[in-house]
Amino acid sequence: DAKTTQPTSMDCAEGRAANLPCNHSTISGNEYVYWYRQIHSQGPQYIIHGLKNNETNEMASLIITEDRKSSTLILPHATLRDTAVYYCIVSNSGYALNFGKGTSLLVTP
Amino acid sequence: DAGVTQSPTHLIKTRGQQVTLRCSPKSGHDTVSWYQQALGQGPQFIFQYYEEEERQRGNFPDRFSGHQFPNYSSELNVNALLLGDSALYLCASSLPWKRGKTGELFFGEGSRLTVL
Repeated sequence: DAKTTQPTSMDCAEGRAANLPCNHSTISGNEYVYWYRQIHSQGPQYIIHGLKNNETNEMASLIITEDRKSSTLILPHATLRDTAVYYCIVSNSGYALNFGKGTSLLVTP
Repeated sequence: DAGVTQSPTHLIKTRGQQVTLRCSPKSGHDTVSWYQQALGQGPQFIFQYYEEEERQRGNFPDRFSGHQFPNYSSELNVNALLLGDSALYLCASSLPWKRGKTGELFFGEGSRLTVL
């Protein structure tokens, strides 16, 4: 699986959009981009995934660049409950995901 | 609707011992995956079970083995425990890939294993 690079930490003000970047320059054609988050002491929670088109669901939007070498997860209106570690994962298997260290997002009042 | 349940939540073992962790998948799910999360790290894939067989395996030694039962529940067994096996062990369930439900894993809260 291709490796990903994410910033170690980010801050966001409550109510503002949180934009979390991910670099995956070695992604191959059959690999999806997955985003999960993990709130302290809980199991990871699925957010969204995509192959090459932008995706949106009730939680977030995923923007994938045309060359697929990077992506951005957008939480449109961050709340305090969105404080978590966010993982960007690239894989051709929805089951065999190796999470990196992720981005620790702190949403502040 | 119960989510993924794991037991025990915490346990302490000594080096050389064996441990068994248990997982019941979310209702309607028939695929179970196991992950190991060391302190300060992201989860790492151990293996995946579907139709009572191991379908995929990550980079873990043979000391890690598993089983899936006809009711889709699963066990993770670790033999000859090492200090480095101390971690949070997470179980995730999902619908099988071939049914078109790609990507969404539902995780349990995990079993925290401490090896002394």
